[in-house]
Amino acid sequence: AQSVTQPDIHITVSEGASLELRCNYSYGATPYLFWYVQSPGQGLQLLLKYFSGDTLVQGIKGFEAEFKRSQSSFNLRKPSVHWSDAAEYFCAVGPIRGSTLGRLYFGRGTQLTVWP
Amino acid sequence: GAGVSQSPRYKVAKRGQDVALRCDPISGHVSLFWYQQALGQGPEFLTYFQNEAQLDKSGLPSDRFFAERPEGSVSTLKIQRTQQEDSAVYLCASSFRSSPNEQFFGPGTRLTVL
Repeated sequence: AQSVTQPDIHITVSEGASLELRCNYSYGATPYLFWYVQSPGQGLQLLLKYFSGDTLVQGIKGFEAEFKRSQSSFNLRKPSVHWSDAAEYFCAVGPIRGSTLGRLYFGRGTQLTVWP
Repeated sequence: GAGVSQSPRYKVAKRGQDVALRCDPISGHVSLFWYQQALGQGPEFLTYFQNEAQLDKSGLPSDRFFAERPEGSVSTLKIQRTQQEDSAVYLCASSFRSSPNEQFFGPGTRLTVL
C-alpha cells in the first residue's frame, strides 16, 4: 500500500537557520514526488516536484529537495529560513502510470514555526 | 482569475442537511480532483475527473458523497445527509491532461457539521 511518512509533526527554527523537513514514502515503484506548502486559510501551493533525472531539485522560495531512491526519501531543505516560511508543509507522491494515475497520496504534514 | 476557485469558502450545516460545494478549475485544465482534509491531517483523495468523465471515485467515503462535472469544467461535490464526521476542508485541484500529477489547488471549503 502507498504511504507517505513525515515523522516530524512540528518543527521550530530561528530565522536565518537552516531547515530540513523529512519525508519517506512506501510505494511499489519510484513515484512522482512533491512538496506543497499550506498557509492558514489557503490552499496548497506547489514548492517543487521530482519526476525524473537530477535527484536534487530546485523549487520556489529558495527551497530544494533531494530524492534518495535507496532510502525512499525526499527531504526538503532551505539554507536560511525566513519568518514568512512559517506554514504547514506536505510531502506527496503520485503514480507515474496505472489506474490510479492522478491520485496523490499525502503525508500528514509538518508544521513549521519560525522564531524571530 | 488565474487560479482554482471554490465556493463557498465556509459552510455550516446541521446534521442531516445536504450541502453542495463548487469548484471552478483553471481554464484549460481537463483534469479535476477533490480531496478531503480533516483537521491535523493531510489531504485524502476523493475523486478524479478527466473532462466530464469520472475516472476514479474510489476515495468517496460513502454513498452520501456524489461528485459531478457535467460540462467538463465546473464541478460540484454534494454531500447528502451530512454527519459530524464529514466536517473537514474540501480541496479541489486541477491539472493539464499531460501532467495529471502536477495539481494546482484551490483555497478549499471548510465544512462544519453541527
